[in-house]
Amino acid sequence: QVQLVQSGAEVKKPGSSVKVSCKASGGSFSSYAITWVRQAPGQGLEWVGGIIPVFGTANEAQKFQGRVTISTDDSTSTVYMELTSLSSDDTAVYFCARGGYDYIRWTYNAMDVWGQGTTVTVSS
Amino acid sequence: EIVLTQSPGTLSLSPGERATLSCWASESVSSTSLAWYQQKPGQAPRLLIYGSSTRAAGIPDRFSGSGSGTEFTLTISRLEPEDFAVYYCQRYGRSLLFGGGTKVEIK
Repeated sequence: QVQLVQSGAEVKKPGSSVKVSCKASGGSFSSYAITWVRQAPGQGLEWVGGIIPVFGTANEAQKFQGRVTISTDDSTSTVYMELTSLSSDDTAVYFCARGGYDYIRWTYNAMDVWGQGTTVTVSS
Repeated sequence: EIVLTQSPGTLSLSPGERATLSCWASESVSSTSLAWYQQKPGQAPRLLIYGSSTRAAGIPDRFSGSGSGTEFTLTISRLEPEDFAVYYCQRYGRSLLFGGGTKVEIK
């Protein structure tokens, strides 16, 4: 059974960048989509973006366009999410999650496997 | 831009009672593109329902989903102690969108 293991907590200064990793263990995610979802303290879930590893194509929520880069390293079954120009509003737990992908309609499906979450704190 | 609104914000019930959670969409959502998740404090979300009404693997049959168009419902037939949590609806497709969540708390 595949598990998604994320990198450890990060503390960053405003204006800097953070890169969070998500490694698949016990299986591959090449035929799935990997999405990133964040949750600010005490708040709900917010989609950041996603990637289709088999194609290497990524897209992101409009809110994060120009600020987020999602990439994949097939050799290590790892997906990365880099967020730049950090502000205190980016303080959140960032989750990666695996879901299906409809290759005919080019649409994401629901996410059935989640990473444990990575806390990113932005503070001066 | 489509918005998902969940109601109520908080539901106070006792174990054994029935819980009915609503998810309203500002425009029509395909019933094949609606999911429900459960999240407990300090944990990642857990997929309960996809395609509006299909239970994910390992999900007990006390959880059921229904609805179409702009109105969707998650029903927990008899609350177990482990069911007290926050529940989110989600529309998936070319992008992903979550509702604001409903907290089910012990009365």
